[in-house]
Amino acid sequence: SAVISQKPSRDICQRGTSLTIQCQVDSQVTMMFWYRQQPGQSLTLIATANQGSEATYESGFVIDKFPISRPNLTFSTLTVSNMSPEDSSIYLCSAAGTSGRGATTDTQYFGPGTRLTVL
Amino acid sequence: AQKITQTQPGMFVQEKEAVTLDCTYDTSDPSYGLFWYKQPSSGEMIFLIYQGSYDQQNATEGRYSLNFQKARKSANLVISASQLGDSAMYFCAMREIYNQGGKLIFGQGTELSVKP
Repeated sequence: SAVISQKPSRDICQRGTSLTIQCQVDSQVTMMFWYRQQPGQSLTLIATANQGSEATYESGFVIDKFPISRPNLTFSTLTVSNMSPEDSSIYLCSAAGTSGRGATTDTQYFGPGTRLTVL
Repeated sequence: AQKITQTQPGMFVQEKEAVTLDCTYDTSDPSYGLFWYKQPSSGEMIFLIYQGSYDQQNATEGRYSLNFQKARKSANLVISASQLGDSAMYFCAMREIYNQGGKLIFGQGTELSVKP
């Protein structure tokens, strides 16, 4: 299994500013992901964080708005740039592949989330 | 097109009774996995149960079981002997290896309320 921590747990930010969310996994994982959960909604995948290379973004999400880093197999950051009230959401870091390989059987674990409010 | 469909926005169940939460999926990938997660009001995502596309038997984990009907592309979660602590949002999710590169895609969720 994997234990995932996120910082900060919550924040209130002003419009036009940026926030960087950190995600730390207690073991090496093959895959790391970032999700957004808007109020009352399901989880939407923002991007797959690739170790040592650019993240792979889902349709509707772009690198300029959500730059992602993954310098090693246990750590990733997501930045929400030039924020607007529409960015108010919970942002969740997720990881899978503690066996060192990607497979359908790999349980995907989630961090506790970062609750972001943009005024 | 929706990959994962949960048609029940909300469900009620009496404490100690069983409840079934529906999930249908759409894929052409021969290899995929199906997951159920619980999200209480605190917001954490708790993994409940997994079913692989090649698994011959339905998955079970304690009070949770998965009614997997591959031909119908359904993976319903059954919770037996409901408890008050089961009140939460429940999400069905699917991972495809060939089509989606291992990403986990979620359904819209079902809010379960357990009545005393």
